[in-house]
Amino acid sequence: DTAVSQTPKYLVTQMGNDKSIKCEQNLGHDTMYWYKQDSKKFLKIMFSYNNKELIINETVPNRFSPKSPDKAHLNLHINSLELGDSAVYFCASSQRQGRSTDTQYFGPGTRLTVL
Amino acid sequence: DAKTTQPPSMDCAEGRAANLPCNHSTISGNEYVYWYRQIHSQGPQYIIHGLKNNETNEMASLIITEDRKSSTLILPHATLRDTAVYYCIVRGGADGLTFGKGTHLIIQP
Repeated sequence: DTAVSQTPKYLVTQMGNDKSIKCEQNLGHDTMYWYKQDSKKFLKIMFSYNNKELIINETVPNRFSPKSPDKAHLNLHINSLELGDSAVYFCASSQRQGRSTDTQYFGPGTRLTVL
Repeated sequence: DAKTTQPPSMDCAEGRAANLPCNHSTISGNEYVYWYRQIHSQGPQYIIHGLKNNETNEMASLIITEDRKSSTLILPHATLRDTAVYYCIVRGGADGLTFGKGTHLIIQP
């Protein structure tokens, strides 16, 4: 059983297109996250949702819009894709938001390539 | 969250204990030390965390100095599958994890 799953695993698209990445967790967690890992391998938080409510929104362009239909899903929509959006995007979940003992569990990642 | 400093890379022989150091001299009293690792092309994997006492689980041991300014992650019997980038993260309750550059641990056969 996969705890945190993402689809697709690979996504290749043209500049200017709109695309979505889906994330699902079956751990019963309340909080979900999106992280971006760029070509230099730095991993940075983008968004955090707790019970379908946006908690963290780091300095991410508004072309990126997370959507949470229920607390088990957090999808990432990206409009007008740019070359610099090429990266690996990781979804994560944790049981409860805001506690320093709250362990995050990560999905396998989606490698986005913008041509 | 406090900043951490780790060596960029380390080698360890297969079957030996791998000891990965981390400095976090500005850690506050309520901040935890977390360790994650990332095996090539996979998502980060939680290993262990602690506040001030030493901790052990099925994957590793975490030794935190008495002044909490540094810690060591110990993989007791390293295998080739333990080759990965290991991240030491200090966390005080913020939602997002702040990943540094980590230590690239290479297990040699």
